[in-house]
Amino acid sequence: EPEVTQTPSHQVTQMGQEVILRCVPISNHLYFYWYRQILGQKVEFLVSFYNNEISEKSEIFDDQFSVERPDGSNFTLKIRSTKLEDSAMYFCASSEQGVFYGYTFGSGTRLTVV
Amino acid sequence: AQTVTQSQPEMSVQEAETVTLSCTYDTSESDYYLFWYKQPPSRQMILVIRQEAYKQQNATENRFSVNFQKAAKSFSLKISDSQLGDAAMYFCAYRSVNNNDMRFGAGTRLTVKP
Repeated sequence: EPEVTQTPSHQVTQMGQEVILRCVPISNHLYFYWYRQILGQKVEFLVSFYNNEISEKSEIFDDQFSVERPDGSNFTLKIRSTKLEDSAMYFCASSEQGVFYGYTFGSGTRLTVV
Repeated sequence: AQTVTQSQPEMSVQEAETVTLSCTYDTSESDYYLFWYKQPPSRQMILVIRQEAYKQQNATENRFSVNFQKAAKSFSLKISDSQLGDAAMYFCAYRSVNNNDMRFGAGTRLTVKP
C-alpha cells in the first residue's frame, strides 16, 4: 500500500536554529498538508498545499513557517528560528483530488527544541 | 469555524467486548465529511472509517461502524469484538467540502484489557 514517508523520524535542534522537515507524499496525490501535535494534545492543522502554492493556512502558520515542493516528489516544512514551543510531532499528509478522501498521514517527525 | 468535541478523554474495554467512542461537532454546513483516525503508540495516524454527511447509511468497516446522527451532529465510533491491537488514541475529524482544513477532536485514549 502506498505510504507517505517522512524524514527524519526524530530531530533535536537548538532554540533559534532552522529546521527542515521532509516528506514524500504518495505519488498520485495532489493535495499536501502539514499538521502538528504537541505532546498529549490534539492534532492541529498548519497548512495545505495544492498546485505549487499554499491553499490554506492556520493562525499557527506564521512567518516562521514556510513550505516548499522543490521537486516532483518532496514536500518540505521549514521552521525558522525555532522556539521551545515548536517541540511537537509534525505530520505530513497527502490526499487525492476530491474532498471525500481521507488523508494518508506519514509516521511523523518528532521535533525537540532544546 | 467548525469544532469537534470528544468528551471522553479515556475509555476502557474488555477484549472481545464492544465499545463506543463519542464525537460531536459544530457546523453550519449541510455537506461535509467525517472521519475516525487511530493513533497507536507508533504515533502514526491511520484512517479507520469515513462518512459522507449526505449519506444516511452508517459506514461500516469490518469491526468498526459509526452511528451518524446528522441532526444531532453526532458521529460515534463502535468497535466490536475489541482486540488488543485496537488500543490507541482515536481522533474524530471533520472536513468541509469547501476547504482542505481537517479539524480534529482532542482524542480518546482507548485501553483494551485482556
